[in-house]
Amino acid sequence: EAEVAQSPRYKITEKSQAVAFWCDPISGHATLYWYRQILGQGPELLVQFQDESVVDDSQLPKDRFSAERLKGVDSTLKIQPAELGDSAMYLCASSPRRSEGLHFGNGTRLTVT
Amino acid sequence: QKEVEQDPGPLSVPEGAIVSLNCTYSNSAFQYFMWYRQYSRKGPELLMYTYSSGNKEDGRFTAQVDKSSKYISLFIRDSQPSDSATYLCAMSQPSSGAGSYQLTFGKGTKLSVIP
Repeated sequence: EAEVAQSPRYKITEKSQAVAFWCDPISGHATLYWYRQILGQGPELLVQFQDESVVDDSQLPKDRFSAERLKGVDSTLKIQPAELGDSAMYLCASSPRRSEGLHFGNGTRLTVT
Repeated sequence: QKEVEQDPGPLSVPEGAIVSLNCTYSNSAFQYFMWYRQYSRKGPELLMYTYSSGNKEDGRFTAQVDKSSKYISLFIRDSQPSDSATYLCAMSQPSSGAGSYQLTFGKGTKLSVIP
């Protein structure tokens, strides 16, 4: 069964450093999402792409976070500079067009020290 | 008030028990209702989704939606230790991208099934 691939699985970084996460969605999935999940909480949407276009980035802290999906396939989420409060699981998900079911990757666990 | 409310638990039950998990919501624009299961250090996986009010059954799992009360439930019959996980309710509404949806999740309920 096809899966959403994310890397790295774990990342430890010092505050004020830059960090980047990569996601490769299931082939053919038009919609790609980045979610942040703090321990004990549900995932919260950071940014949603439809093909290469941003559909919703209203919850993305744009002063430090950026996301791109240049060719409408894989995507990168960047944080610069990282802050202690950014420690969380960053989840990527994808879905086919006109489908409400999201397929999640196993996430990147970020620890900022 | 958050759009989706879910009791975080934790919930501990003996093996074989019937488990009931619930969420309430306030946004009438939600159209689809889902339950995700998340094992430790893994991403959420879709268990069930429903569109209309009523019940939907899949093996030991039954999802129930009551749109008039803005209340959804997941029942697990004959619970097994392998069901121990965090269960997240999620609700979706169309987003501005053509054919795309936006999900809002509950906090998740941590379930432990004791052998």
